[in-house]
Amino acid sequence: EPEVTQTPSHQVTQMGQEVILRCVPISNHLYFYWYRQILGQKVEFLVSFYNNEISEKSEIFDDQFSVERPDGSNFTLKIRSTKLEDSAMYFCASSWTGVNTEAFFGQGTRLTVV
Amino acid sequence: ELKVEQNPLFLSMQEGKNYTIYCNYSTTSDRLYWYRQDPGKSLESLFVLLSNGAVKQEGRLMASLDTKARLSTLHITAAVHDLSATYFCAVDQNYGGSQGNLIFGKGTKLSVKP
Repeated sequence: EPEVTQTPSHQVTQMGQEVILRCVPISNHLYFYWYRQILGQKVEFLVSFYNNEISEKSEIFDDQFSVERPDGSNFTLKIRSTKLEDSAMYFCASSWTGVNTEAFFGQGTRLTVV
Repeated sequence: ELKVEQNPLFLSMQEGKNYTIYCNYSTTSDRLYWYRQDPGKSLESLFVLLSNGAVKQEGRLMASLDTKARLSTLHITAAVHDLSATYFCAVDQNYGGSQGNLIFGKGTKLSVKP
């Protein structure tokens, strides 16, 4: 069964460093998303991406964040200068269309900023 | 701003009992999703509810949507231990438009005891 895959599963980084989280969405999906979940809290939307551009972003997704689809299969989230409060589980998701279909989530990348 | 409230946040049930989780949301939406999350794992899609009066059932779980009341319910019938997990409802903020920003509730942590 097709699935969204994320790498790495766990990343530890020092405050101020740049990190890139990688995702391979399901192959025929057109919409891509990043969400995050701080430990024990709810899942929060970061950004959605369609047709090689950001279609929506939340207040959390500030200038420190960027997304890219560098080739036909990968979708990346970059955090330029990590802060302690960026520590969270980051989920990538994809959906086939933007309307009336559920998003399928990857297994997540646990980011720990020390 | 769309707000999504779930209750209860914690639910301890005995095996064999029935219970209902409630999900209220604050603004008009026509798409509501239920997800399950096991500890340290990703979000598994359970139900997609797309219209007023929609009812979907899978095994011991049944979800319904009342868009007029802005309420969805997830009913558990004859609970078993395997249902222990955190259940999230999520509402699409983009009424009538493309899917993008899913607003999640805080989740209901369900524990089913023998």
